[in-house]
Amino acid sequence: GQNIDQPTEMTATEGAIVQINCTYQTSGFNGLFWYQQHAGEAPTFLSYNVLDGLEEKGRFSSFLSRSKGYSYLLLKELQMKDSASYLCAPMDSNYQLIWGAGTKLIIKP
Amino acid sequence: ETGVTQTPRHLVMGMTNKKSLKCEQHLGHNAMYWYKQSAKKPLELMFVYNFKEQTENNSVPSRFSPECPNSSHLFLHLHTLQPEDSALYLCASSIIAGGSGEQFFGPGTRLTVL
Repeated sequence: GQNIDQPTEMTATEGAIVQINCTYQTSGFNGLFWYQQHAGEAPTFLSYNVLDGLEEKGRFSSFLSRSKGYSYLLLKELQMKDSASYLCAPMDSNYQLIWGAGTKLIIKP
Repeated sequence: ETGVTQTPRHLVMGMTNKKSLKCEQHLGHNAMYWYKQSAKKPLELMFVYNFKEQTENNSVPSRFSPECPNSSHLFLHLHTLQPEDSALYLCASSIIAGGSGEQFFGPGTRLTVL
């Protein structure tokens, strides 16, 4: 079956760095998305990886290892507004997104 | 308006009521999606429309009935719902279904079934 595993909740300090891990098993693979969702709001796109390696976009970076079925989202210089849920979603062979339950990130001053 | 809009934002209905959720996208996309989001659970894909044609129905109960009159509008008609149907219903759009483009989400309708 298809399965996504990411931590339920993480806590970090303002100004620090945090890494949110995601492991996945899918029927085929057509890339992996990360979305951010603030409480009560819509998910918004953060990144898309289809090749192995690190993609950097400002304070946020996303890494993919297809052979290991593993991705992480790295957030640097954390700000209070980064408190949100982060959703890992690989895309299977039918181009359907398989969603994880999300990691709730709590930023403390 | 820009992006993806949804109305109403909040809806409370009884189990015998009939109501409809509306979604509109202003992005020129050809694919639209309905998702259900329950607390602490993954997003559940309900329906996919590509160029107005339904391409996916993930075993959704018939008390949920989608309608896509054109590529910009999507409706979800609700009737005789159950309390466990209470959730956030999200609409999304993308350039096409079956591609690797990102999906853009609306703000959602928070549905409570009494």
